[in-house]
Amino acid sequence: QKEVEQNSGPLSVPEGAIASLNCTYSDRGSQSFFWYRQYSGKSPELIMFIYSNGDKEDGRFTAQLNKASQYVSLLIRDSQPSDSATYLCAVGSSASKIIFGSGTRLSIRP
Amino acid sequence: GAVVSQHPSWVICKSGTSVKIECRSLDFQATTMFWYRQFPKQSLMLMATSNEGSKATYEQGVEKDKFLINHASLTLSTLTVTSAHPEDSSFYICSTGDRATYEQYFGPGTRLTVT
Repeated sequence: QKEVEQNSGPLSVPEGAIASLNCTYSDRGSQSFFWYRQYSGKSPELIMFIYSNGDKEDGRFTAQLNKASQYVSLLIRDSQPSDSATYLCAVGSSASKIIFGSGTRLSIRP
Repeated sequence: GAVVSQHPSWVICKSGTSVKIECRSLDFQATTMFWYRQFPKQSLMLMATSNEGSKATYEQGVEKDKFLINHASLTLSTLTVTSAHPEDSSFYICSTGDRATYEQYFGPGTRLTVT
């Protein structure tokens, strides 16, 4: 079983709609959860982080965490073509390192 | 977050030669740096954890004699790919990590092509 699992996609969403990205993790002791966005040929950039159960909102982005279900998601409202990228879910492990999922490719169609 | 630079941003080398990639933490004292490799359409794979003043910790399956890591100061870690082969062609990314929050600050990456 992979430690951090994501659907590879591609996930196609019309412009202006809500994009929903999901991730599950295996380590129940994990305390830190991150969503990174990666454009082709570029390094990842941090979109959101969340540590507590529930929702965390930042602009058009909302991260949701459910530790009991070992599930974390990212919602993108009012999707824009510039949101088209690969989204990486990451979970904090020991020694300050994080484990990345394989990423979900998101495509926003005009 | 911390600002991390990498040099070079891309490099082409011949098979059998060695290539050194530098990772600098510009505004953050990085006792720990991480080196990742990413093949096309795949996720980031952690290669090793670089510790300032001590030996790096390599992930399972990564050859430490092939991928030499040096972390001699709080602002610089280097990755040397020795005797490079075409299968080493990849995107190499370094990062520093915040021990308290686990947040990672990534460098811009180095594209290595071995011919």
